[in-house]
Amino acid sequence: GAGVSQSPSNKVTEKGKDVELRCDPISGHTALYWYRQSLGQGLEFLIYFQGNSAPDKSGLPSDRFSAERTGGSVSTLTIQRTQQEDSAVYLCASSRTTTYEQYFGPGTRLTVT
Amino acid sequence: AQSVTQLGSHVSVSEGALVLLRCNYSSSVPPYLFWYVQYPNQGLQLLLKYTSAATLVKGINGFEAEFKKSETSFHLTKPSAHMSDAAEYFCAVRANTGTASKLTFGTGTRLQVTL
Repeated sequence: GAGVSQSPSNKVTEKGKDVELRCDPISGHTALYWYRQSLGQGLEFLIYFQGNSAPDKSGLPSDRFSAERTGGSVSTLTIQRTQQEDSAVYLCASSRTTTYEQYFGPGTRLTVT
Repeated sequence: AQSVTQLGSHVSVSEGALVLLRCNYSSSVPPYLFWYVQYPNQGLQLLLKYTSAATLVKGINGFEAEFKKSETSFHLTKPSAHMSDAAEYFCAVRANTGTASKLTFGTGTRLQVTL
């Protein structure tokens, strides 16, 4: 396909609800990354997948955050019991392992009310 | 560990003037360095990358950057600004480890271009 796609583009949820954010990487890209962009914290790394495994989960801010990747393709980031501080733009990126540039999707803007 | 410092959260230039956005990095291993641009309500677009080949890197839209190891810098330049260059620019670093790994970003520089 074309670029990295993410859905939904916008999500408004009430505090305490669970949300799922989806990322479709570029076809053939084996590495997939999640980042979060917020006013207070800038661009932060969350988690990285190589294939279906996650060698680096060091950026997940709490155990309310989890992610999975299936079939070496689509990834879902799940936030349980959302809090207002989770409001941010969640960006997904993908890359080929043997080249190092990451290509970003348009992001999902999450607003927790 | 890697980190990036971008000097100047806001830079304003006149159309046609030189653009200079500063980035200094810190890395315990040889780095790969990147500049990304973000237009309002969009994701990040790669402008250029340094991956230990040529120290002067040319990117899209007339931008270029020079890797200076002695100064630990990777400043972004463009000879002549255009109104369409107004956006936020992020410098990023990752370790040159031969495998994919996360990017560490600077705090960004918002470029304003005036008539």
